Amino acid sequence: DTGVSQDPRHKITKRGQNVTFRCDPISEHNRLYWYRQTLGQGPEFLTYFQNEAQLEKSRLLSDRFSAERPKGSFSTLEIQRTEQGDSAMYLCASSSEPPGQAGSPLHFGNGTRLTVT
Amino acid sequence: AQKITQTQPGMFVQEKEAVTLDCTYDTSDPSYGLFWYKQPSSGEMIFLIYQGSYDQQNATEGRYSLNFQKARKSANLVISASQLGDSAMYFCAMREGPRSSASKIIFGSGTRLSIRP
Repeated sequence: DTGVSQDPRHKITKRGQNVTFRCDPISEHNRLYWYRQTLGQGPEFLTYFQNEAQLEKSRLLSDRFSAERPKGSFSTLEIQRTEQGDSAMYLCASSSEPPGQAGSPLHFGNGTRLTVT
Repeated sequence: AQKITQTQPGMFVQEKEAVTLDCTYDTSDPSYGLFWYKQPSSGEMIFLIYQGSYDQQNATEGRYSLNFQKARKSANLVISASQLGDSAMYFCAMREGPRSSASKIIFGSGTRLSIRP
């Protein structure tokens, strides 16, 4: 178990540019989640997958955000035409389905910190 | 709609004392799960404890216990014999629906706990 891996750890970009983040979940986990967290706040739900199927996307998310999980393993989160308000920590998490760990808790990566200048 | 409320933005507690962090939730689904996570200043999200809506007993994990009051829709985290290393942000989270089916997990706004020596 190598944990959830996110790349890059930090990303600085200029307003208007596109950025893409990658998440590699724990290998036996088929559920994958994306969250956004700003300083002092709780993680805000963005979207989640079961295998390759995207089951829900937050209504708060604009059309500039898109996520994929093409083969049911790693996932990518793309933000097009970035804005300064997109600056945040982007967290990825994965979980197993029963009969795995009780409650199927989320296991988080260390996040990608995005700064839009 | 599912909702998590943490009304204590910050708390100060003397070392070795017990502390209770409040969490109330709202859902119309009879099947749900409740989680607590710890986020130290290093930023990692650490899973602490889980309570299922149909669990007959309150969950316990070492010094952590969950005071689950279903009728009041509250799921307070109790930390016994607090330690300096308990200083962190604590988040309550909820999954609507049974864990057998994937569903989104939402987080509260968090409580910052500071332990005084």
